Amino acid sequence: DGGITQSPKYLFRKEGQNVTLSCEQNLNHDAMYWYRQDPGQGLRLIYYSQIVNDFQKGDIAEGYSVSREKKESFPLTVTSAQKNPTAFYLCASRLTRTGSNQPQHFGDGTRLSIL
Amino acid sequence: QKEVEQNSGPLSVPEGAIASLNCTYSDRGSQSFFWYRQYSGKSPELIMSIYSNGDKEDGRFTAQLNKASQYVSLLIRDSQPSDSATYLCAVIRAGFQKLVFGTGTRLLVSP
Repeated sequence: DGGITQSPKYLFRKEGQNVTLSCEQNLNHDAMYWYRQDPGQGLRLIYYSQIVNDFQKGDIAEGYSVSREKKESFPLTVTSAQKNPTAFYLCASRLTRTGSNQPQHFGDGTRLSIL
Repeated sequence: QKEVEQNSGPLSVPEGAIASLNCTYSDRGSQSFFWYRQYSGKSPELIMSIYSNGDKEDGRFTAQLNKASQYVSLLIRDSQPSDSATYLCAVIRAGFQKLVFGTGTRLLVSP
């Protein structure tokens, strides 16, 4: 089945530790996105990538890093510089070659907590 | 002014009623409009997209777009308790590759 796979579903981070959230898609989508959602809040864009080996900062990029070495994969690293990482992290992808009308599709999310 | 605005709710409706969810956007160059449903603790799920003025119907859902008023709405007919969720409005501006999301409206359908 085509889709977006995020792993792990739950993740715990110790103080001073970097953790990496995985996002893989087999939809042949060009663009991929990372969002953070805090309880009762909307989606905030962390990073996005429109093509391989290129990515742009979103609204809240500080304390996060990404890479896009393959079209299918867009991992997010939450670094120790991110002092309040507890949140629900959502990865999304979108087909952009056919124009701007395509929606984003989301993975099931990763819930990150501090130990 | 936020780019996409929604009333946070909760919007409470009885089972069987019509739920009306509203969204306004600030950029007149916006071209594509989407409604997502998000159940508590789950990821957003696309339920409707609309690109031109007027109504678009899909089952119990109707999306309405009025570009002159910069307004998009979602009507849910015969509301069910299973429709209780947060509904997110999202907009794409022409030439941009990012969706801009509203903060969502929480809908509660009581049996």
